[in-house]
Amino acid sequence: TQLLEQSPQFLSIQEGENLTVYCNSSSVFSSLQWYRQEPGEGPVLLVTVVTGGEVKKLKRLTFQFGDARKDSSLHITAAQPGDTGLYLCAGAPYSGAGSYQLTFGKGTKLSVIP
Amino acid sequence: NAGVTQTPKFRVLKTGQSMTLLCAQDMNHEYMYWYRQDPGMGLRLIHYSVGEGTTAKGEVPDGYNVSRLKKQNFLLGLESAAPSQTSVYFCASRQTSGSFYEQYFGPGTRLTVT
Repeated sequence: TQLLEQSPQFLSIQEGENLTVYCNSSSVFSSLQWYRQEPGEGPVLLVTVVTGGEVKKLKRLTFQFGDARKDSSLHITAAQPGDTGLYLCAGAPYSGAGSYQLTFGKGTKLSVIP
Repeated sequence: NAGVTQTPKFRVLKTGQSMTLLCAQDMNHEYMYWYRQDPGMGLRLIHYSVGEGTTAKGEVPDGYNVSRLKKQNFLLGLESAAPSQTSVYFCASRQTSGSFYEQYFGPGTRLTVT
């Protein structure tokens, strides 16, 4: 069974601060996705990282896939109240049994205080 | 293009009652999923379908049934609701290939069983 551990579970910061969220596993994934979920809504895909060591930027958000494809991080620069939400990472397996499914982490709940 | 829609948005059931949650997608996706989301537990896969007329069990299938009679619809049924099924239910869909397993989620159904 593949597991994804996210840390921290909760994060409350002031507007303008920087933060990093981590997603770790002992398993190797073919790709890894980050979703953001706002209260009362479904998760929305932010980015997919595919290559080990890959770095992707989405405005103030920087995503990195570990060299060994077992971990990922999300760094937010100068956080804003609009960044508030639940951040979920999800790993995609290589083909084979269970390849239709994603493995989701339990999420990091971020609150950005104005 | 509505994406993934779910009905109803809210529902309160009494123990032992039955109900069906409807998920519809207009993206011509082959794969569809039903998840439940509970505090501290993350997203857990209930059932999924890899095409019209097919269904398969996920991580927590007990107490639920599903049907995929049409490609665009995926129904989740609770035959005899229990308080442990109080949760937020999300439907998701994805393409068969070329998408790195990216899933598109509906807005959720909040179910309370008393």
